[in-house]
Amino acid sequence: AQKITQTQPGMFVQEKEAVTLDCTYDTSDQSYGLFWYKQPSSGEMIFLIYQGSYDEQNATEGRYSLNFQKARKSANLVISASQLGDSAMYFCAIESGGSNYKLTFGKGTLLTVNP
Amino acid sequence: GAGVSQSPSNKVTEKGKDVELRCDPISGHTALYWYRQSLGQGLEFLIYFQGNSAPDKSGLPSDRFSAERTGGSVSTLTIQRTQQEDSAVYLCASSYSWGEQGEQYFGPGTRLTVT
Repeated sequence: AQKITQTQPGMFVQEKEAVTLDCTYDTSDQSYGLFWYKQPSSGEMIFLIYQGSYDEQNATEGRYSLNFQKARKSANLVISASQLGDSAMYFCAIESGGSNYKLTFGKGTLLTVNP
Repeated sequence: GAGVSQSPSNKVTEKGKDVELRCDPISGHTALYWYRQSLGQGLEFLIYFQGNSAPDKSGLPSDRFSAERTGGSVSTLTIQRTQQEDSAVYLCASSYSWGEQGEQYFGPGTRLTVT
């Protein structure tokens, strides 16, 4: 079974600064994928970034980067140059290996960007 | 193009009644997922459909929950004899099964309130 742990229920950051959201995972699969989703107050889940377990480079998507440390089983999300619109819940998720794309989510981190 | 759509957006029902929630996935996506998000929690996997294969029902919390997917497209999640603990947001997602990363695209959700 897979498990995601997000230890930060809430985080605050000043506009234009960078912030790191923590995520650790547990899986017995050799092949897996790690995802970050953003959920604004409107409720929709927005895909941000993906990291495959065999990817040697850290994933980057615009202002988002994923700090993947496989030995430590961590997949932290880094948001650079925070914007007010980044205020939202952020969920880390893991996809089990094989043909089953079931995602297991963490409990999320509520990020608030202050002006 | 059109994203994942869900209906109704909100549903209030009395305890003991049956409800049906509908999901229209993105055209061409062969994989479809249902998740449940209780207040302040992460997403909980319910069921997964992939093409014509037998669905993965491992996340359904009880036999009151069932889902079907007709013609490989639209899906309906049915909850029979609703209970107050069924109150949650029910999210549907779809993806390409052969996608490079299995990215799941989420719908806006149906907020179910059982009184």
